[in-house]
Amino acid sequence: AQTVTQSQPEMSVQEAETVTLSCTYDTSESDYYLFWYKQPPSRQMILVIRQEAYKQQNATENRFSVNFQKAAKSFSLKISDSQLGDAAMYFCAYTRGSNYKLTFGKGTLLTVNP
Amino acid sequence: ETGVTQTPRHLVMGMTNKKSLKCEQHLGHNAMYWYKQSAKKPLELMFVYNFKEQTENNSVPSRFSPECPNSSHLFLHLHTLQPEDSALYLCASSRSPTGEPFGYTFGSGTRLTVV
Repeated sequence: AQTVTQSQPEMSVQEAETVTLSCTYDTSESDYYLFWYKQPPSRQMILVIRQEAYKQQNATENRFSVNFQKAAKSFSLKISDSQLGDAAMYFCAYTRGSNYKLTFGKGTLLTVNP
Repeated sequence: ETGVTQTPRHLVMGMTNKKSLKCEQHLGHNAMYWYKQSAKKPLELMFVYNFKEQTENNSVPSRFSPECPNSSHLFLHLHTLQPEDSALYLCASSRSPTGEPFGYTFGSGTRLTVV
């Protein structure tokens, strides 16, 4: 069974600084997809970034980038120039593909200090 | 508004009540999901529907009864719930596997409290 592990229950960062959230996963599949989702207090689960396992290049979305290490089954999220609005619960998630379930980690609560 | 709408936003019900949660998407997605989010736990998948057919039931107690009348609507019927069923219930949808990229779109959830 696929599992997703986020080892940092809580993290904090100063505004404008950089923070990295960790995620490891376990799968026997060779093709799969990884996601980072953000859930602010509004409860809306918002997609931050997506990575296809067959792509070697790390995904980037503005201030958000990932370090995808397929052999190590590691998928960390780097947030640069942190903003107050980045404060939220961040979930790492895995799926074999569309129409398959998403398996989530337990989440990391990110606090951004002014 | 993300494209996936869940109603009601909040629900308080007694253990003997019967209620239903509703999820609606007009994104053209073919798969819909129910997740349960409890405090201190990972999101738990409950049910998966593909093209209106249930393809996964993650050992969910029978007091939760899903219904998917078409690809745009998903219901979760609740009856004789327990206090430990209190949680945030999230609905999500995803499109069929044709082309890239794809993603899952979530609703804002229904906060359920069982008293």
